[in-house]
Amino acid sequence: GAVVSQHPSRVICKSGTSVKIECRSLDFQATTMFWYRQFPKKSLMLMATSNEGSKATYEQGVEKDKFLINHASLTLSTLTVTSAHPEDSSFYICSASPTADRGGGYTFGSGTRLTVV
Amino acid sequence: DQQVKQNSPSLSVQEGRISILNCDYTNSMFDYFLWYKKYPAEGPTFLISISSIKDKNEDGRFTVFLNKSAKHLSLHIVPSQPGDSAVYFCAASSGGLTGGGNKLTFGTGTQLKVEL
Repeated sequence: GAVVSQHPSRVICKSGTSVKIECRSLDFQATTMFWYRQFPKKSLMLMATSNEGSKATYEQGVEKDKFLINHASLTLSTLTVTSAHPEDSSFYICSASPTADRGGGYTFGSGTRLTVV
Repeated sequence: DQQVKQNSPSLSVQEGRISILNCDYTNSMFDYFLWYKKYPAEGPTFLISISSIKDKNEDGRFTVFLNKSAKHLSLHIVPSQPGDSAVYFCAASSGGLTGGGNKLTFGTGTQLKVEL
């Protein structure tokens, strides 16, 4: 089956530093990947849609200069949290779909727990 | 504006019984619905989906029912097993782009606990 690998699974960083999270589709190509954020006991909130070879599409309220997305190849999208602050601490998850049929569902990465201290 | 809602934050069911998880949506443009299962500190795992042209889809112990007029869907798990204990999210998407480019809108999740 389709596998999406996300790395790192857990990261702790100091305020003001930047953190890069990678999302890879291991056995399929994905022209589109999605980045979500989940707060404790809350829903998954779509942050942005990552498009291979073009700019990402950000959801309303998400700062594009804060959350930099790069989708340089058909198998890799990266999310960089710039100048991280404690309020950026959250669980970040990426997803992608290998199929043309939406019924196949999206495969999610295992998530990244970011803690900013 | 929560377009997909799961009004029950938690549900407790005995092993062997049926678990029914509910989901309501407000956006009439949604035409595809999915259910995901999620464990703590892991990404969601796809369970089952249904197109708006259907009212039922079944896969093993999982059945999803869709009532378009009521903008309501439900996931039935029967028989429930302790391993089913997790958070269940419903999600919805709308048409337009084909392929893997349709974004999902998630509900708030329901914590299912299956007790022995």
